[in-house]
Amino acid sequence: NAGVTQTPKFQVLKTGQSMTLQCAQDMNHNSMYWYRQDPGMGLRLIYYSASEGTTDKGEVPNGYNVSRLNKREFSLRLESAAPSQTSVYFCASSEWLAGVPETQYFGPGTRLLVL
Amino acid sequence: AQKITQTQPGMFVQEKEAVTLDCTYDTSDQSYGLFWYKQPSSGEMIFLIYQGSYDEQNATEGRYSLNFQKARKSANLVISASQLGDSAMYFCAMREGHDAGGTSYGKLTFGQGTILTVHP
Repeated sequence: NAGVTQTPKFQVLKTGQSMTLQCAQDMNHNSMYWYRQDPGMGLRLIYYSASEGTTDKGEVPNGYNVSRLNKREFSLRLESAAPSQTSVYFCASSEWLAGVPETQYFGPGTRLLVL
Repeated sequence: AQKITQTQPGMFVQEKEAVTLDCTYDTSDQSYGLFWYKQPSSGEMIFLIYQGSYDEQNATEGRYSLNFQKARKSANLVISASQLGDSAMYFCAMREGHDAGGTSYGKLTFGQGTILTVHP
């Protein structure tokens, strides 16, 4: 089991360029999430998908769009990158089962630098 | 107001000693969960321990235990017998409530983290 995988691992963009961050999980989880982590800070939720076919905004959604392509894959798109979006992006997935803690499992992260 | 507060930007501990990392939280929900994650210098997020709001006993996982004081809204992480490999950033996080159907979407709110350095 690979768990949660993210591509690319590192990306440099120029202001105004677009890109899509890919995330896939092989744990058959219903819920998936995108977070960003700025230097010296905790993670902040960008978007999440409670189940296939649904997406909702998190704490910091501006400048991003998401697509839940299927149960396994959840992508994050930056349409017009800005320097303020320089960050490390984490994808996570989880599953809620009665009586079991809903632990989120994280991917390795994507480091994005916007010049 | 901050939902998760970690007041210790950095902590130092001698190898083999115990250390407590502080976390206080703010919620009006009755049902919530508290998590601790470890982030080593390599960057990945590693789940350590979980405490549910209705759990009467403090959670333990190996050398990790969670000192849960519900009335004080604190969920401190205790690491016993520290090892050099414990040097990392540690995050406290909270998942609040459930929807009407009883399903938690699992959205986590993170604190700012505490950098733990273990000295030999």
